Amino acid sequence: GQQLNQSPQSMFIQEGEDVSMNCTSSSIFNTWLWYKQEPGEGPVLLIALYKAGELTSNGRLTAQFGITRKDSFLNISASIPSDVGIYFCAGQDTGANSKLTFGKGITLSVRP
Amino acid sequence: KAGVTQTPRYLIKTRGQQVTLSCSPISGHRSVSWYQQTPGQGLQFLFEYFSETQRNKGNFPGRFSGRQFSNSRSEMNVSTLELGDSALYLCASSLTQDRVRYFGAGTRLSVL
Repeated sequence: GQQLNQSPQSMFIQEGEDVSMNCTSSSIFNTWLWYKQEPGEGPVLLIALYKAGELTSNGRLTAQFGITRKDSFLNISASIPSDVGIYFCAGQDTGANSKLTFGKGITLSVRP
Repeated sequence: KAGVTQTPRYLIKTRGQQVTLSCSPISGHRSVSWYQQTPGQGLQFLFEYFSETQRNKGNFPGRFSGRQFSNSRSEMNVSTLELGDSALYLCASSLTQDRVRYFGAGTRLSVL
């Protein structure tokens, strides 16, 4: 099935650094979502974006819905050790085909 | 407010057996969807139920089936298990099909 493009597969940063992740698609979506998954758990919703061009923050996290509706980015500022995990982007349509389409995720490691 | 509850958390089965997984959505949520997560394929959509009716289905064989009860709880069943069915099965609930989805911790299925 279709998947969104997230790269690189892994990122290694120093505590206190900012990090940015990008997600692209060949199709447009009406909603973009960012989830974080930690070992042994399900994905936890971080940010939901509903309008092209929208910029939304959640604490140290900021995400934007691309104006073409085919991409989104997530920025984490001043990283801390508990930011470690896998970050997934997901696109969602509306109506009958409102399933989530996921990227493969980016594994973030934070060095103290 | 309780989150999405999936039971059991872990399952070990052998090839050819069948298995039933359970999902209790967040109170008031009427839409339940199921996803399979594997290292190779990532998160793949299985199916979605709303008001006891399957509304959307992913590209999985007919061995994978599900249902939803009047209290919105959902079950998924996999018959004639294959080694490749080993995965983390995630359930997500939302108020309606178009709304943001919240995931449970998943059921880790191992097929030997």
